[in-house]
Amino acid sequence: DGGITQSPKYLFRKEGQNVTLSCEQNLNHDAMYWYRQDPGQGLRLIYYSQIVNDFQKGDIAEGYSVSREKKESFPLTVTSAQKNPTAFYLCASRKDRGDNQPQHFGDGTRLSIL
Amino acid sequence: LAKTTQPISMDSYEGQEVNITCSHNNIATNDYITWYQQFPSQGPRFIIQGYKTKVTNEVASLFIPADRKSSTLSLPRVSLSDTAVYYCLVGVTGGYNKLIFGAGTRLAVHP
Repeated sequence: DGGITQSPKYLFRKEGQNVTLSCEQNLNHDAMYWYRQDPGQGLRLIYYSQIVNDFQKGDIAEGYSVSREKKESFPLTVTSAQKNPTAFYLCASRKDRGDNQPQHFGDGTRLSIL
Repeated sequence: LAKTTQPISMDSYEGQEVNITCSHNNIATNDYITWYQQFPSQGPRFIIQGYKTKVTNEVASLFIPADRKSSTLSLPRVSLSDTAVYYCLVGVTGGYNKLIFGAGTRLAVHP
């Protein structure tokens, strides 16, 4: 989706290192999400945020942290506490004004361990 | 949250119509049905969404029976580029409600 930019496309992490994945959207969407996808699997929700300065844990939040200081940005930090970080990470956003607006996704960041 | 069941994989040939059915027996009154398409190493792309009866757009149709316990995504005249994973989701996207992505249906279109 052209309105959501994830960077970098590929990222490598060393043992004990924290890394931050960027997600920026210019769609003026209120809600933003982070998902993790493992090979051959569906998406699992890590964190989500409905408004600035507020976010909620998803199903697999352990070892991850987020911030939502600006409406257009929702960075995800993969901490050293996440022992199996190798996965495809997807960011999504959605306009949230009570309607069932669909989520729009970026093209992901593939994280690997060195 | 309503759980969905869809076939793990399907095969088709170019030019054929493909119908992928999703079961969601526990769908709630406020839930919508949404379908996404995902290509390798890309994010899911929204295809279509509906609440009841039939919805059609430029790429697909969505058929929902009266009891809403299932839905069928119909792709007319598929091409090789329709080879992808298709996800059926059921839920309410407003507020902090979550959507659950299952493993999806892997569609392979052959020449």
